[in-house]
Amino acid sequence: EIVLTQSPATLSLSPGERATLSCRASQSVSNYLVWYQQKPGQAPRLLIYDASSRAIGIPARFSGSGSGTDFTLTISSLEPEDFAVYYCQQRSHWPPSSTFGQGTKVEIK
Amino acid sequence: QVQLQESGPGLVRPSQTLSLTCTVSGGSISIGSSSWSWIRQPAGKGLEWVGRVYTSGSTNYNPSLKSRLTISLDTSKNQFSLKLSSVTATDTAVYYCASSLYCTNTGCQDFWGQGTLVTVSS
Repeated sequence: EIVLTQSPATLSLSPGERATLSCRASQSVSNYLVWYQQKPGQAPRLLIYDASSRAIGIPARFSGSGSGTDFTLTISSLEPEDFAVYYCQQRSHWPPSSTFGQGTKVEIK
Repeated sequence: QVQLQESGPGLVRPSQTLSLTCTVSGGSISIGSSSWSWIRQPAGKGLEWVGRVYTSGSTNYNPSLKSRLTISLDTSKNQFSLKLSSVTATDTAVYYCASSLYCTNTGCQDFWGQGTLVTVSS
């Protein structure tokens, strides 16, 4: 099973600051990596697919990069609505199962 | 717009089988999304991928759940379902159903149900 490790566990930032979230895979997942945002009581919302493509309706301040084992989600300038938990998920074709990282909470400093 | 809705008992007794159904509306379960997944989330914890069923009917399961898990597709009802046997308190979670990527010429998105809380308790 591919393990995803997200860091940091918590990121304390102020609105307007840049957020950089990391996701590291235990083996290569090529670019089969997605990022989700989750707010309390809500289902996750897809932000990024294929490591770097923004999903429909996602603002340009969200960007993803990386391939293989190291991935980054960047929020260029935090808006109040961006404070939430972020998860990465790998969708590699082999092994034929998916996994999530443990999440990074972006909180207001 | 595709919508997903989970349904099933909110309380399951230990050692029994947890059964949930996800009803897809606004689109055919046979096209658009190549697979349909279940994800769960214990209270205050992270997301756990449970498994998926492809439109072909083939499945992939979380290895830690594989021996207890069955996910199936009913195209006639535009539904897919989850059955998890021999449940314990550790199976208590919010269960979500979700599509895989839907892609058009304007980009891709996916769709999730609102989630349903299943509690395992006697």
